[in-house]
Amino acid sequence: SSELTQDPAVSVALGQTVRITCQGDSLRSYYASWYQQKPGQAPVLVIYGKNNRPSGIPDRFSGSSSGNTASLTITGAQAEDEADYYCNSRDSSGNHLRVFGGGTKLTVL
Amino acid sequence: QVQLQESGPGLVKPSETLSLTCAVSGYSISSGYYWGWIRQPPGKGLEWIGSIYHSGSTYYNPSLKSRVTISVDTSKNQFSLKLSSVTAADTAVYYCARHISSSWADAFDIWGQGTMVTVSS
Repeated sequence: SSELTQDPAVSVALGQTVRITCQGDSLRSYYASWYQQKPGQAPVLVIYGKNNRPSGIPDRFSGSSSGNTASLTITGAQAEDEADYYCNSRDSSGNHLRVFGGGTKLTVL
Repeated sequence: QVQLQESGPGLVKPSETLSLTCAVSGYSISSGYYWGWIRQPPGKGLEWIGSIYHSGSTYYNPSLKSRVTISVDTSKNQFSLKLSSVTAADTAVYYCARHISSSWADAFDIWGQGTMVTVSS
């Protein structure tokens, strides 16, 4: 299957920990990458590979994977973390397809 | 500092061909990486269109493959997207991005600011 499924919306209290999940068959074979997108802006890569953060991404962002589920965890969410988050992975059917999840809107309360 | 900048018409007529260019600065396309196009319809999620290696080898989204051509011009350090026979469904913000594609990671690590393309007569 070439689909990645995300919860449409998640909320977290300021300073608390939140996990955003992404499910798909391809995640059994490939790591997910995660992107943060704020209104009117281009997406920004926050996690890639097993659990790698690009330069400039705070260490409160981390990634993990188990079976067909990848997770993005924000430990101590800040107001500026309110955004849409997208996961992305290769498709495992051998057709070189790259797929994005539908996105999760994170609200920081 | 690597930067990408999309350019092209903001309005395309139905059935015509959408053409965009992505200029890369701060990095030579010839040095490696894939380079990709992603789009986002208004209020919707992201869709990968395709990617190209500096050598010219390409991967396309099967759902768009019959209409998409991605090419690279290493002399100008830029790559381009052509999408033919456009309809209103192709109205979107189009992003170009550097594409890491290896055995240990697959991700779009640097993005352009995006350019809005509207398909309308």
